Amino acid sequence: NAGVTQTPKFRILKIGQSMTLQCTQDMNHNYMYWYRQDPGMGLKLIYYSVGAGITDKGEVPNGYNVSRSTTEDFPLRLELAAPSQTSVYFCASSYDAAGNEQFFGPGTRLTVL
Amino acid sequence: RKEVEQDPGPFNVPEGATVAFNCTYSNSASQSFFWYRQDCRKEPKLLMSVYSSGNEDGRFTAQLNRASQYISLLIRDSKLSDSATYLCVVRGFRGAGSYQLTFGKGTKLSVIP
Repeated sequence: NAGVTQTPKFRILKIGQSMTLQCTQDMNHNYMYWYRQDPGMGLKLIYYSVGAGITDKGEVPNGYNVSRSTTEDFPLRLELAAPSQTSVYFCASSYDAAGNEQFFGPGTRLTVL
Repeated sequence: RKEVEQDPGPFNVPEGATVAFNCTYSNSASQSFFWYRQDCRKEPKLLMSVYSSGNEDGRFTAQLNRASQYISLLIRDSKLSDSATYLCVVRGFRGAGSYQLTFGKGTKLSVIP
């Protein structure tokens, strides 16, 4: 089992560019999440999904979009990158709605200049 | 009051020392509590859940005081490999059958030879 995988590991974007952060899990988890972690701050939930075709906003969804066409994949889209989106992005998945244990991917370090 | 508040650290302790971390949470309806560990530039990983009666896992002991909305983690006989940031995490109900994890900013521990 690879667990949760994310690509790319690092990316530098210019202001106004777009990109998609990829996330895949092979644990057959229905629940998936996207977080961002700014330096010295706690993780903040961007979007989450309770199953294929179902997504919902978290605490900080502005500037992002998601889709969930399969159980395995949960990509995060940045449409018009801004410096405020410089952060480390973590994708996670869990077996049940309670999210008692969330399994995290290794993260994507994004810098917007 | 912040949702989940932790001692900011850093805690620098010698090998073999006992160290305790504290955490307070603001939402009295919070249902479940966890400690996650995050190594430098890595993803968070579940260390242990925290139960009302208190629980122990080897050198690690977690305690919960619901009346005071307070969670603690005690590490005995610290090892160099315990050096990491420890995240206090609280789970609450966000409606429509889903839950949300709220993460503290973390407490950094450095165990010194």
